[in-house]
Amino acid sequence: ETGVTQTPRHLVMGMTNKKSLKCEQHLGHNAMYWYKQSAKKPLELMFVYSLEERVENNSVPSRFSPECPNSSHLFLHLHTLQPEDSALYLCASSLGVAGVDTQYFGPGTRLTVL
Amino acid sequence: GESVGLHLPTLSVQEGDNSIINCAYSNSASDYFIWYKQESGKGPQFIIDIRSNMDKRQGQRVTVLLNKTVKHLSLQIAATQPGDSAVYFCAERIPGNTGKLIFGQGTTLQVKP
Repeated sequence: ETGVTQTPRHLVMGMTNKKSLKCEQHLGHNAMYWYKQSAKKPLELMFVYSLEERVENNSVPSRFSPECPNSSHLFLHLHTLQPEDSALYLCASSLGVAGVDTQYFGPGTRLTVL
Repeated sequence: GESVGLHLPTLSVQEGDNSIINCAYSNSASDYFIWYKQESGKGPQFIIDIRSNMDKRQGQRVTVLLNKTVKHLSLQIAATQPGDSAVYFCAERIPGNTGKLIFGQGTTLQVKP
């Protein structure tokens, strides 16, 4: 285990649903990330939080809404998604964002949008 | 542009042989490179990293080589084992304050017993 947990592991939702993905890190890190992993495509960075402040929003559609209430928890709120949003959503954390701190990944949430 | 690519989508090797997985990157300003391993049903797992002021770094059974002249990165796995079967990603770090990593598409390593 990497010390980063994600729930749920699998999620199926309709395009009109609202759901949330949760990430928790037990490593004492200050930075957290959301990535999207689609088949046949490289990992895409979505959001970066440092000390609960969003420091990067990688041109992600507004139907994805991140929330970082504290440095150990990160959420991704989903609403009115499209079928092309089906993917593996990975959370990661690192000690900080400056320097070369290793990012530790969770197991991901497999999302299917019908 | 910013892209990191891998030369082969799939690499098949015999158990016990050495494996070499290649990666080309395009951003000459990148200062840090990482190899990740992703097994089925799991998130990427850190294997080894190298800073741009080095050209070689060794770990346990793994070696990363960096050739900045041709912007090439490779991962060598010695005595490949069935447990090494996974998808391997290289990533480059864009200098700045957000720790942004650019990932390649991945090479699937298949180890034949």
